[in-house]
Amino acid sequence: DGGITQSPKYLFRKEGQNVTLSCEQNLNHDAMYWYRQDPGQGLRLIYYSQIVNDFQKGDIAEGYSVSREKKESFPLTVTSAQKNPTAFYLCASSIGRAQGGYGYTFGSGTRLTVV
Amino acid sequence: AQSVTQLDSHVSVSEGTPVLLRCNYSSSYSPSLFWYVQHPNKGLQLLLKYTSAATLVKGINGFEAEFKKSETSFHLTKPSAHMSDAAEYFCVVLPNQFYFGTGTSLTVIP
Repeated sequence: DGGITQSPKYLFRKEGQNVTLSCEQNLNHDAMYWYRQDPGQGLRLIYYSQIVNDFQKGDIAEGYSVSREKKESFPLTVTSAQKNPTAFYLCASSIGRAQGGYGYTFGSGTRLTVV
Repeated sequence: AQSVTQLDSHVSVSEGTPVLLRCNYSSSYSPSLFWYVQHPNKGLQLLLKYTSAATLVKGINGFEAEFKKSETSFHLTKPSAHMSDAAEYFCVVLPNQFYFGTGTSLTVIP
């Protein structure tokens, strides 16, 4: 079955460390997205990528970095510059630019906790 | 500008009673509108979507939503709540990227 796989499900990070969250999709979707979810704030867009080797900042990109070397993969690195990284992170993909009613497919999320 | 407002952060209903989760949107374009459901520590699952066809949209698990342009609303309803409906629900508006509401937490009381 096609879908999006996020790993790990739970991740613990020490202060000052960089960590990378994995997102892989086998849906042949062109576009991929990273969202951060905090209680009472819904989902906020961190980065998105329309095609391979291209990505754009979302609303809260500071302290994060991404790469899109392959169509199937869109890893997110949470750097030490991110002051409040504890959150639930969701990866999503869509067929194109998500216009015209094409819904997203979401991964099951990674919960990152800073210890 | 595009935005979406979920009018209730928490809704509590008794099992077997109707569910109403309210959503208002603003959009400069003719929007596509979605409702997603999220169970604890899980990803989001699409419940239903409106894409300028019929204004009453039926989704999975007995949910439906009605697009009312004059009221800029897209409220989610279900005639009879089930315990398994307890989750977080997100209203989403889309012209060129998803704008999420802040979510409504639904509690179902047995």
